[in-house]
Amino acid sequence: EAGVAQSPRYKIIEKRQSVAFWCNPISGHATLYWYQQILGQGPKLLIQFQNNGVVDDSQLPKDRFSAERLKGVDSTLKIQPAKLEDSAVYLCASSLFQTLTGSQETQYFGPGTRLLVL
Amino acid sequence: AQSVTQLGSHVSVSEGALVLLRCNYSSSVPPYLFWYVQYPNQGLQLLLKYTTGATLVKGINGFEAEFKKSETSFHLTKPSAHMSDAAEYFCAVSVRSGGYNKLIFGAGTRLAVHP
Repeated sequence: EAGVAQSPRYKIIEKRQSVAFWCNPISGHATLYWYQQILGQGPKLLIQFQNNGVVDDSQLPKDRFSAERLKGVDSTLKIQPAKLEDSAVYLCASSLFQTLTGSQETQYFGPGTRLLVL
Repeated sequence: AQSVTQLGSHVSVSEGALVLLRCNYSSSVPPYLFWYVQYPNQGLQLLLKYTTGATLVKGINGFEAEFKKSETSFHLTKPSAHMSDAAEYFCAVSVRSGGYNKLIFGAGTRLAVHP
């Protein structure tokens, strides 16, 4: 079974530029997550999709970050314009589904995209 | 609000020694707890999880963790460290938000294993 795929693996940009990350979850996984992992910290959830709908984006800096999952499969995360403090690893994860009763499906993580903003 | 505290950002052990990584949580409801491992330049991999039932949870690679409600702890242990265990370990608690679950991670503990 193929895992969660992410691209690119590394990206270096200058501040105020824009950047986009791509994620392809495990086939059949309805729930997709984007995390930001700053050096020395644990991952922080940015946005969570259930199929193609957003269920949690409370930690997403919406003035500069956007994400979409148009067909309920692949997802892109965009930053425009980037700031120095956006330097981090961006992790994508997926899980089978989540129900409103709160099933604890395991999240499977991709290798991440390491972003450096100069 | 739920949170996770991992005591010790760096732990160093000798090969063959006991591994003990500490995790304490705060939660107003019975928690779901997780340990993930992250090898260099890789994503996170689930080691084990506690949802309900037996408080001693066994995971992959010989790791186990015990849920202690009275101590609000979920420490990770392995009887004998191997060089391949060198990695970063994250404890996480699941919280309900908007009708769905999300993970809150601790800051991580980097485990070094020396010969």
